Amino acid sequence: SQKIEQNSEALNIQEGKTATLTCNYTNYSPAYLQWYRQDPGRGPVFLLLIRENEKEKRKERLKVTFDTTLKQSLFHITASQPADSATYLCALDRTNFGNEKLTFGTGTRLTIIP
Amino acid sequence: IAGITQAPTSQILAAGRRMTLRCTQDMRHNAMYWYRQDLGLGLRLIHYSNTAGTTGKGEVPDGYSVSRANTDDFPLTLASAVPSQTSVYFCASSEDGQFGPQHFGDGTRLSIL
Repeated sequence: SQKIEQNSEALNIQEGKTATLTCNYTNYSPAYLQWYRQDPGRGPVFLLLIRENEKEKRKERLKVTFDTTLKQSLFHITASQPADSATYLCALDRTNFGNEKLTFGTGTRLTIIP
Repeated sequence: IAGITQAPTSQILAAGRRMTLRCTQDMRHNAMYWYRQDLGLGLRLIHYSNTAGTTGKGEVPDGYSVSRANTDDFPLTLASAVPSQTSVYFCASSEDGQFGPQHFGDGTRLSIL
């Protein structure tokens, strides 16, 4: 069955360092992969979308990579700040299984320590 | 401010009661979605609508129904609530039913006793 795994439930990073979050998937061949941020008590907020033919996408301090051979996406936050503390979700489409909707991972809770 | 409005923000409901969660968007998006979010399980799609007048089943549709009479509104109804439907419910929208970014409301926290 299709499965999405995010590297860990929680990740603590010192302020100023680069935070790297991992999203692995099995039994998928997604055309797109998306990353969202979710703060406590709020809905997810879209951050970045990367297509299967793109290796890397950047937005300000954020960088996403997409390796379809490894079936993995890495999400980097450089020069991390306490305000970056949140839960980060990856999501993939399910085109190849006849249901063209997003499937979300369970998320990684990132804490940036001052 | 443009976005998704969900109501109520929270609700405690007796098992067996009927409940409708409301969702309204003002972005004129064609597609709308209902998810539930549970600890350890992440966001799971309940129902979706690619355009007004059409709906489809997601991953966990049992016990829920939806309607899409117009572009802006996408209510979710629990006909007879059960404790396993205790969850946080999120409504979302996107420009179309493909794979573009989804915009989420801030959720309805529902407890079924």
